[in-house]
Amino acid sequence: SQQGEEDPQALSIQEGENATMNCSYKTSINNLQWYRQNSGRGLVHLILIRSNEREKHSGRLRVTLDTSKKSSSLLITASRAADTASYFCASASGGSYIPTFGRGTSLIVHP
Amino acid sequence: KAGVTQTPRYLIKTRGQQVTLSCSPISGHRSVSWYQQTPGQGLQFLFEYFSETQRNKGNFPGRFSGRQFSNSRSEMNVSTLELGDSALYLCASSLGTGEADTQYFGPGTRLTVL
Repeated sequence: SQQGEEDPQALSIQEGENATMNCSYKTSINNLQWYRQNSGRGLVHLILIRSNEREKHSGRLRVTLDTSKKSSSLLITASRAADTASYFCASASGGSYIPTFGRGTSLIVHP
Repeated sequence: KAGVTQTPRYLIKTRGQQVTLSCSPISGHRSVSWYQQTPGQGLQFLFEYFSETQRNKGNFPGRFSGRQFSNSRSEMNVSTLELGDSALYLCASSLGTGEADTQYFGPGTRLTVL
């Protein structure tokens, strides 16, 4: 079963706009990670946020974590056509560090 | 550093056959994890190997097995293939040392079972 669920399932925006994706999870986590996957290819690690962190930045990416609501969000600012991909959140919980993935958000950025 | 490599990239098999997939991790990484990705089930964890031992296992039948060699390269085997085994199989390597371990994924092997 999925630990995390992304919302929305699909997102279509214009280049230059911001894209926000949300992830909800069920049990307490050790950390939460976001990955990107271009069509039918491997996943690329974007950012890891620990359970005691609230916000993290990496370039045009901003990730927030709200452990009280068991949710995280990924914001991509000033999106580009090259950002078109599926984005997954993955969380490790309990004594395990093996991440469990959500079903992903499919982002399309129109040039 | 070279990334994670997987071979073959594409594979077509028929029901009942068996298949072996290979994964070479990033140099220095001792943990290799395998995932199955399908449109219906998403990314499902199969198992993780660390220092030649299976350390974690997902909820898959015994037809799915794996092993890891002393150089950390890993193979995954699926016996008696079923149509539902058609999927993208991804392996990921990491240092395997702790909770903030980042996994680095290979490009995947696309398996089609006819």
